Amino acid sequence: KNEVEQSPQNLTAQEGEFITINCSYSVGISALHWLQQHPGGGIVSLFMLSSGKKKHGRLIATINIQEKHSSLHITASHPRDSAVYICAVRSGGGADGLTFGKGTHLIIQP
Amino acid sequence: DARVTQTPRHKVTEMGQEVTMRCQPILGHNTVFWYRQTMMQGLELLAYFRNRAPLDDSGMPKDRFSAEMPDATLATLKIQPSEPRDSAVYFCASGPPGQGVETQYFGPGTRLLVL
Repeated sequence: KNEVEQSPQNLTAQEGEFITINCSYSVGISALHWLQQHPGGGIVSLFMLSSGKKKHGRLIATINIQEKHSSLHITASHPRDSAVYICAVRSGGGADGLTFGKGTHLIIQP
Repeated sequence: DARVTQTPRHKVTEMGQEVTMRCQPILGHNTVFWYRQTMMQGLELLAYFRNRAPLDDSGMPKDRFSAEMPDATLATLKIQPSEPRDSAVYFCASGPPGQGVETQYFGPGTRLLVL
């Protein structure tokens, strides 16, 4: 079973700061997802990565397959970015279910 | 604006009662997932279906949980009998057809409390 570790568990930063959240996994994967869970509980898929880098607005996600590591970056952070960010991996071999990290609780203070 | 819908949104029940949760995937999506979220364990996969066929239910306690897709527009998750340790938020997600599942679209969740 894949072990997914995220760091940090909690992060408080000031508005405008550059944010980095890290994710590492133990077994090779076919894809990695970054999810955002809002304070109200809703979950939104931000990115799906199998290699390289993706960018959407102020969010950037990168993955290094050899090192089994991914990072989620937020540029010019804003209080509305406050949420739990969850890394999840799909192990492949036809299996599409996700294995999740415990999440990073991000608070951006004005 | 296509969305995954789940009913009920909240459920409080007593230990031993049957609980049925329903999910309507986005029209045209052929993969449906059931996840459970607790404070202790975080998010966990319970089961998933493709084209209404169960592909993986290894995360689901078989003695009390069952998941079905009576048709392409409805997925159900039943717990019988329910226990306090089943208290959690149960999420359904659906994904479009294709090679693997690029993006999973999550429903709002059913918050279950078993007393």
